[in-house]
Amino acid sequence: NAGVTQTPKFQVLKTGQSMTLQCAQDMNHEYMSWYRQDPGMGLRLIHYSVGAGITDQGEVPNGYNVSRSTTEDFPLRLLSAAPSQTSVYFCASSGGGGYTFGSGTRLTVV
Amino acid sequence: ILNVEQSPQSLHVQEGDSTNFTCSFPSSNFYALHWYRWETAKSPEALFVMTLNGDEKKKGRISATLNTKEGYSYLYIKGSQPEDSATYLCALRDSNYQLIWGAGTKLIIKP
Repeated sequence: NAGVTQTPKFQVLKTGQSMTLQCAQDMNHEYMSWYRQDPGMGLRLIHYSVGAGITDQGEVPNGYNVSRSTTEDFPLRLLSAAPSQTSVYFCASSGGGGYTFGSGTRLTVV
Repeated sequence: ILNVEQSPQSLHVQEGDSTNFTCSFPSSNFYALHWYRWETAKSPEALFVMTLNGDEKKKGRISATLNTKEGYSYLYIKGSQPEDSATYLCALRDSNYQLIWGAGTKLIIKP
């Protein structure tokens, strides 16, 4: 089992560029979510999904879009990157038990 | 509203010593309590998921207890090793699968 796979691991963007962070899981988990982690702060929820076709906003959704067309995939789109979106992004999934986290994407917006 | 507090914020422990830290919550209105271990530059790793009052879980030298009536969970590490150095996070899961996270206890094992 690969678990939760996030790509890319590192990315540098220019302000105003858009990009998609990929997240895929092979555990048939219904719940998937995206977090960001900033220095000195804990995990903050961006968006989440409780199943294919269903998404909802978390604590810090502005500037991000998500979709959930399949159970396996939950991409996170940055519409127009801003320096404030420089962060480490984690995708996580759950089938009702503990969350399984991806390895993270370190994003820098210059 | 669920609220999760963890104490202490950080902890220095001599290698070989045992230690414990606390997760406290004012309300028992949650579905499960989670413990995670988060090493620097890695991603959080689930340790335990606990649901019932009186639950006890164990994985190797690490164990946890849950007391929903008095609103706390303890995480115990027996015979600390350098590889135990990490931040330990507690979280409560609500009815919508959401986790409400504590701020974590940073554990540093001194050789």
